[in-house]
Amino acid sequence: QVQLQESGPGLVKPSQTLSLTCSVSGGSVSDGPYYWSWIRQPAGRGLEWIGRISSSGSANYHPSLKSRVTVSLDTSKSQFSLNLNSVTAADTAVYYCAREIIGGPPEYWWDPWGQGTLVTVSS
Amino acid sequence: EIVLTQSPATLSLSPGERATLSCRASQSISSDLAWYQQRPGQAPRLLIYDASNRATGIPARFSGSGSGTDFTLTISSLESEDVAVYYCQQRSLWPRTFGQGTKLEIK
Repeated sequence: QVQLQESGPGLVKPSQTLSLTCSVSGGSVSDGPYYWSWIRQPAGRGLEWIGRISSSGSANYHPSLKSRVTVSLDTSKSQFSLNLNSVTAADTAVYYCAREIIGGPPEYWWDPWGQGTLVTVSS
Repeated sequence: EIVLTQSPATLSLSPGERATLSCRASQSISSDLAWYQQRPGQAPRLLIYDASNRATGIPARFSGSGSGTDFTLTISSLESEDVAVYYCQQRSLWPRTFGQGTKLEIK
């Protein structure tokens, strides 16, 4: 059974780059076909999809974040990563990674999710 | 961007009662809707996908219905472990969007 685990700094200064990694166990990011996504949740608020990358390395992003976001794959470590630059306090949130299956149920839905990691943007 | 509006914002019911949660889309999304459960302090978990299919391991008391713009999540007989925020999410159009959530409380 595949499991996902986020990791990275819990505190980032304004204008700097937020960098997170999602480690995949019980499978590989190059298995698939899958999409690997990042989703965030500001405190007390709803969920927002950030971006995703396919097991073959093709990425797409939320239009409102596209200029600041990069999602990448490291198949040797079975990890995928999120870089969000020029952060502000509005980027403070719990960040989740999640998987989408392609070609079988539940196709194109997020399952499973990592447990999430809180990132605070503050000086 | 498709807006999903969930109602009610909060639902307070007793164990054994039936819960009915609503999600309305700003335009037709066919059956491209999922429901997620987020228990306190936990990550969201997929409950229902394609509007009416239960995900693996989800109890039969959870069911989903609807198509087009109006969708419903029903919990037939509430248990204490069902305390959570429930989110709907659409995949019909990019970017994928979530509703603002319904908080389910058990009296």
